[in-house]
Amino acid sequence: DGGITQSPKYLFRKEGQNVTLSCEQNLNHDAMYWYRQDPGQGLRLIYYSQIVNDFQKGDIAEGYSVSREKKESFPLTVTSAQKNPTAFYLCATTTPRGTGELFFGEGSRLTVL
Amino acid sequence: GENVEQHPSTLSVQEGDSAVIKCTYSDSASNYFPWYKQELGKRPQLIIDIRSNVGEKKDQRIAVTLNKTAKHFSLHITETQPEDSAVYFCAANRRRALTFGSGTRLQVQP
Repeated sequence: DGGITQSPKYLFRKEGQNVTLSCEQNLNHDAMYWYRQDPGQGLRLIYYSQIVNDFQKGDIAEGYSVSREKKESFPLTVTSAQKNPTAFYLCATTTPRGTGELFFGEGSRLTVL
Repeated sequence: GENVEQHPSTLSVQEGDSAVIKCTYSDSASNYFPWYKQELGKRPQLIIDIRSNVGEKKDQRIAVTLNKTAKHFSLHITETQPEDSAVYFCAANRRRALTFGSGTRLQVQP
């Protein structure tokens, strides 16, 4: 619901494996974002994209990669270079008013075993 | 870059009392300050926001105040109810993204 869909909701990974989290939106919005949330902490920006084929690093981009080949899709890959990948990952886009507020997907919880 | 600090980290109040959460920001270019509420296991949802051209905004039991000179803004919840229990995040814009505070866990005791 809400126009932004993340999958999978839960994901388990072994150390050393890459994993890709999906984020799709049907709101026809240009801007999309990935945030990471750790227990008891705020949301930290990983990457964001303002337009197709363009994206910018956020505050904690190391060990992550993204692509923006289509307007509706902004997948996040957690690589083996990310030292502590266990976290709750939230994808977001701007709301229809486009005035700055974010609308989040339901999140993907990644656990590294 | 923008740095947003939020206090307190936890807050416990009795039902019916008021709750105040405070944030400071560092980038004087920031001009948009939203507040999000996150219930356990759910996504954050916007509850109120304010822009730098106003000093206060109210929406029923919730209000936000902004002091641009001091670079701080606050969330005020009056007549708290048990359903207000959640984690609240402040944020400030930096370039084209939001920087979030570390969150306040609000517990309203019935």
